[in-house]
Amino acid sequence: EVQLLESGGGLVQPGGSLRLSCAASGFTFSSYAMSWVRQAPGKGLEWVSGISGSGGSSTNYADSVKGRFTISRDNSKNTLYLQMNSLRAEDTAVYYCAKRASVSGTTKAFDYWGQGTLVTVSS
Amino acid sequence: SYELTQPPSVSVSPGQTASITCSGDELGDEFASWYQQKPGQSPVLLIYQDSKRPSGIPERFSGSHSGNTATLTISGTQAVDEADYYCQAWDSSTSYVFGTGTKVTVL
Repeated sequence: EVQLLESGGGLVQPGGSLRLSCAASGFTFSSYAMSWVRQAPGKGLEWVSGISGSGGSSTNYADSVKGRFTISRDNSKNTLYLQMNSLRAEDTAVYYCAKRASVSGTTKAFDYWGQGTLVTVSS
Repeated sequence: SYELTQPPSVSVSPGQTASITCSGDELGDEFASWYQQKPGQSPVLLIYQDSKRPSGIPERFSGSHSGNTATLTISGTQAVDEADYYCQAWDSSTSYVFGTGTKVTVL
């Protein structure tokens, strides 16, 4: 059974930093690209960042977080990370990690999602 | 930036058919996917590659795509289908894009 379990959310002041983790199990983690998707309170879904299965330089970011957030993964630990710096009030959201549906990338959809972790940026 | 537009809300009577559209200027070049999200829960993939259903998704959910518009259809809508629905596509410059979301109310 595929499981994705996020952690690391919490309350942080504007300008602060936070690191989210997503522990994966039930599939060959290193074979799949992963993403972070967020949802502000009462709002829709927003893709934040993605990383290829092998990690390395194959990362991409939404314009809203480029230069402030860094996605990474440790395939030996089956864990996905999101380092968030220079946080702003508008970064307040539930952050989900999501698994891409296909190994090859032909299916650009997310077939499994974690339960989410809430990040609140406020003074 | 790339945008996918959905109607904010759709109302449907139990047993009837609900249709949710998703429009985008470049949607004709890419597949669409659809997700269902109930309050307090994570999104669930309903449809991928325009019309394919993952295992475990009821047959009453179907998808289609014509030009720049993708459509999610719920046939024989049930009370349990009351939820928010999001379309999603991929764009080479902005990566993954989600639609604005549609709240389906079963009256």
